[in-house]
Amino acid sequence: EIVMTQSPATLSVSPGERATLSCRASQSVGSDLAWYQQKPGQAPRLLIYGASARATGVPARFSGSGSGTEFTLTISSLQSEDFAVYYCQQYTDWPPYTFGQGTKLEIK
Amino acid sequence: EVQLVESGGGLIQPGGSLRLSCAASGFIVSSNYMSWVRQAPGRGLEWVSIIYPGGSTFYADSVKGRFIISRDKSNNTLYLQMNSLRAEDTAVYYCARSNSWFDSWGQGTLVTVSS
Repeated sequence: EIVMTQSPATLSVSPGERATLSCRASQSVGSDLAWYQQKPGQAPRLLIYGASARATGVPARFSGSGSGTEFTLTISSLQSEDFAVYYCQQYTDWPPYTFGQGTKLEIK
Repeated sequence: EVQLVESGGGLIQPGGSLRLSCAASGFIVSSNYMSWVRQAPGRGLEWVSIIYPGGSTFYADSVKGRFIISRDKSNNTLYLQMNSLRAEDTAVYYCARSNSWFDSWGQGTLVTVSS
């Protein structure tokens, strides 16, 4: 089973600034990496798939990069609605699908 | 528009059984990979089970032998039969379309296992 590790657990950033979230896989997943956003009381929402492709309707301020074992989600200029928990997920070796433990992005 | 609506959650005693439903609209359940994903209170996401378009099924080790995923073509609905429930199964259960990544999610249904 591929283990996904996200860092940091909590990230404090001011609105308008850039946020950089990291995700590491225990073995190579190529570009088979997705990112999700989850707000309190809501279901997760797909943001990024294929490591860097934005899902339909996702603003351009969200970008994904990386391949192999190291991945990054960057939010270029934080808006109030971006403060949430973010999860990465690998889909190169499934089942099982595996998620990272999440990064909580909070307002500084 | 793709929509998934779960139902069937509730409070159940340890050892009991519950069946969750996920009614889909805007696409055909049986033509897609469909999963259940759960989230324990205050915790992260855990994949539970998947059913392939061809009917093959797979489970997380934590639920193998206790949970059964299925679908009904006539009403375009996904199911999760949960047996021998344990306290650690307490979670919000989401159904999701899972053709590699999870591109559509339901709103979730809460299952609480407690005496």
